[in-house]
Amino acid sequence: EPEVTQTPSHQVTQMGQEVILRCVPISNHLYFYWYRQILGQKVEFLVSFYNNEISEKSEIFDDQFSVERPDGSNFTLKIRSTKLEDSAMYFCASTRGTAPYEQYFGPGTRLTVT
Amino acid sequence: AQRVTQPEKLLSVFKGAPVELKCNYSYSGSPELFWYVQYSRQRLQLLLRHISRESIKGFTADLNKGETSFHLKKPFAQEEDSAMYYCALTASGSARQLTFGSGTQLTVLP
Repeated sequence: EPEVTQTPSHQVTQMGQEVILRCVPISNHLYFYWYRQILGQKVEFLVSFYNNEISEKSEIFDDQFSVERPDGSNFTLKIRSTKLEDSAMYFCASTRGTAPYEQYFGPGTRLTVT
Repeated sequence: AQRVTQPEKLLSVFKGAPVELKCNYSYSGSPELFWYVQYSRQRLQLLLRHISRESIKGFTADLNKGETSFHLKKPFAQEEDSAMYYCALTASGSARQLTFGSGTQLTVLP
């Protein structure tokens, strides 16, 4: 069964550095999402992406964040200048449409900012 | 804005006992409700959605619009049901992003 994959599984970076988190959504899916979960807190929506552009974003998704689908398969989340409070688990998800279809989640990337 | 509340962070029941995980929501429109589950060391996965009115692994959930609730129930819990359960909502007309509750860690004791 197809799965969403994410790399790396764990990323450690220093404050102020740029990081790129990578996701490969399921191939026939059209909508892509990033969520994050700070340790001990709830899973929070960051951004949704459709037809090569952002369709919605949350207040968390400020100018330090960007998303891209550079080659038709990868879906990336870039944090330009990481802060300590960006330390979290980042989940990618994809779905085939906007009806209440299932969102398929990746295993997550644990980002640790020191 | 929508919100999902799961009042219990931890819930323990004995094997064979009934289990109910509570979920309340606030949303002014017509919500779509889901239960997602995360077993140990596995990814988040859909358990069930209200629109399907299905029973998965013996779990059911009924949307009660009057009480704005979507509680998850199972009459006889099994040890393999031990997991983290998240209630989630999507808003109609949106890009269908999920708004999650804070989750309930269910432990089924032998």
